[in-house]
Amino acid sequence: DADVTQTPRNRITKTGKRIMLECSQTKGHDRMYWYRQDPGLGLRLIYYSFDVKDINKGEISDGYSVSRQAQAKFSLSLESAIPNQTALYFCATSDEHNEKLFFGSGTQLSVL
Amino acid sequence: GESVGLHLPTLSVQEGDNSIINCAYSNSASDYFIWYKQESGKGPQFIIDIRSNMDKRQGQRVTVLLNKTVKHLSLQIAATQPGDSAVYFCAENNYGQNFVFGPGTRLSVLP
Repeated sequence: DADVTQTPRNRITKTGKRIMLECSQTKGHDRMYWYRQDPGLGLRLIYYSFDVKDINKGEISDGYSVSRQAQAKFSLSLESAIPNQTALYFCATSDEHNEKLFFGSGTQLSVL
Repeated sequence: GESVGLHLPTLSVQEGDNSIINCAYSNSASDYFIWYKQESGKGPQFIIDIRSNMDKRQGQRVTVLLNKTVKHLSLQIAATQPGDSAVYFCAENNYGQNFVFGPGTRLSVLP
């Protein structure tokens, strides 16, 4: 089983719809992250959480929100999806002693 | 399928040759660097890392070189194999701050 699991793997939605992407991990890490990947660009940080009670905005948080439901679960929501949020979204985890990031397989989101 | 890497620079190498992938990083204060490999349909996978107090680190078939003077990082893959075909990107970190990722290079291994 994958250590970092993202659902769904693919999603097509319409402008204005609310979308939730989910991430769960079995690595026991405290730190979780949401990134988006666009063609020709590096991964960009949307939100991150260092523990259950901690939520921080990343580089491109506008239009997104997150919820850290438990140590193992971190969900990303698009309250009202727009076409320029079409991208590949990755969840990642790390622990406080080793900055190395472990990524899920990604969710390809298309907003029409 | 994913649209990752449509506009990425591409490096094509013959199977069995050595590959060198380069990365220019932005922050002279960055102290930790990672190379990731991303295959089609998968998330990035850790390959090798290096801290700023080193200039070279070797793994299995891979070597990372760090030149802090010119803020340059390279990944060398020995005896490149078809399974090495992927997008490779570097990431830099400044004393526990969040990582900054490069856009990546697509490696194509020719038979």
